[in-house]
Amino acid sequence: AQSVTQPDIHITVSEGASLELRCNYSYGATPYLFWYVQSPGQGLQLLLKYFSGDTLVQGIKGFEAEFKRSQSSFNLRKPSVHWSDAAEYFCAVGEDGNDMRFGAGTRLTVKP
Amino acid sequence: GAVVSQHPSWVICKSGTSVKIECRSLDFQATTMFWYRQFPKQSLMLMATSNEGSKATYEQGVEKDKFLINHASLTLSTLTVTSAHPEDSSFYICSARGRAGGDYEQYFGPGTRLTVT
Repeated sequence: AQSVTQPDIHITVSEGASLELRCNYSYGATPYLFWYVQSPGQGLQLLLKYFSGDTLVQGIKGFEAEFKRSQSSFNLRKPSVHWSDAAEYFCAVGEDGNDMRFGAGTRLTVKP
Repeated sequence: GAVVSQHPSWVICKSGTSVKIECRSLDFQATTMFWYRQFPKQSLMLMATSNEGSKATYEQGVEKDKFLINHASLTLSTLTVTSAHPEDSSFYICSARGRAGGDYEQYFGPGTRLTVT
């Protein structure tokens, strides 16, 4: 069965510092991978997605993620974090758009 | 494009009553809609998948008689929490998948906060 692991429950970074959120997945075939961001009390906003092709994916708000099949990872990165990036981040894996499974989430705190 | 709305955004009801939550795809036809539940500080858990005109498929452990899902049209799905109890209090999020934006992406609604007193 497919599963997603986000090892870091909570990360704190200083504004302007770089960010990397980890995501590991377990899946039998080539997965469809997603990163979502959720602000408190809000729904999910898609940051980026990977279906196939170039393993380095660019998303909105300056985020990018790299699919590494050998490591079963899809880590999210941002070179310079802004205070407005403070939120909950979810990695998800899906099959053909169905049966999407979410990681437990990583809460990002940004220090001034 | 690809906007999904939910109504209401929050609702408070008394224990024993039923509550209906609507999920609408505003600018595309949603062949499949999904309902998730999210407890505070936790991840989203898929409750059920519904295809237009068909009965919903519920995940293991989700009571189908308690969480009634109706996907009557290509733009509307409803989740009815019947005989609600305080433990049903949660954040309910729907998503929709259709032809807009490709076949492999779900578009999420803003969520509905349900509080049962």
